[in-house]
Amino acid sequence: AQSVTQPDIHITVSEGASLELRCNYSYGATPYLFWYVQSPGQGLQLLLKYFSGDTLVQGIKGFEAEFKRSQSSFNLRKPSVHWSDAAEYFCAVGFYNQGGKLIFGQGTELSVKP
Amino acid sequence: GAGVSQSPSNKVTEKGKDVELRCDPISGHTALYWYRQRLGQGLEFLIYFQGNSAPDKSGLPSDRFSAERTGESVSTLTIQRTQQEDSAVYLCASSSPGSLQPQHFGDGTRLSIL
Repeated sequence: AQSVTQPDIHITVSEGASLELRCNYSYGATPYLFWYVQSPGQGLQLLLKYFSGDTLVQGIKGFEAEFKRSQSSFNLRKPSVHWSDAAEYFCAVGFYNQGGKLIFGQGTELSVKP
Repeated sequence: GAGVSQSPSNKVTEKGKDVELRCDPISGHTALYWYRQRLGQGLEFLIYFQGNSAPDKSGLPSDRFSAERTGESVSTLTIQRTQQEDSAVYLCASSSPGSLQPQHFGDGTRLSIL
């Protein structure tokens, strides 16, 4: 069955430190990969997406993610975290033959220490 | 407004009652999605509409759940004989057609079943 796993439920980092949020998927072919952010009281916002080509993709707000086929992973990174990055982060996968239907991970809540 | 609009923003109802949730997509977006987000969980896909094609209902959890969409406009999600486990935030998203198009999410309807 198709699934998305975000192993870390909650992560705390200090402001200015680097960040990596993990995401693994289970699927027989290369899916389309997305990272969304959900800030308190706000809707989901797309950070970045991977469809094909260069496996390192750049997104908004200084985020990037790297697709590693051998590890079935699509980890999100940011070199220096800002307090405003505190939010819930969701990894999602889509499939070329299923329209735009997305399967989401359970999310990682990011807290930022001053 | 230019975004996806959902109403009501909050709904409290008694167990056993029927509820109807509304989603107004971005103008011109032919694809529309409903997701459910339980407390502390990721988003669960419920149903997907694309133009005049038959909807993908594969995520609906039971026959108490149904959704309609007229053309490429408003959609309603109906839950009959609500149960306490139906308590969640119901999110609607819309996009241009195709798997590669980013989904734009509304702020959701928070449904509480007493």
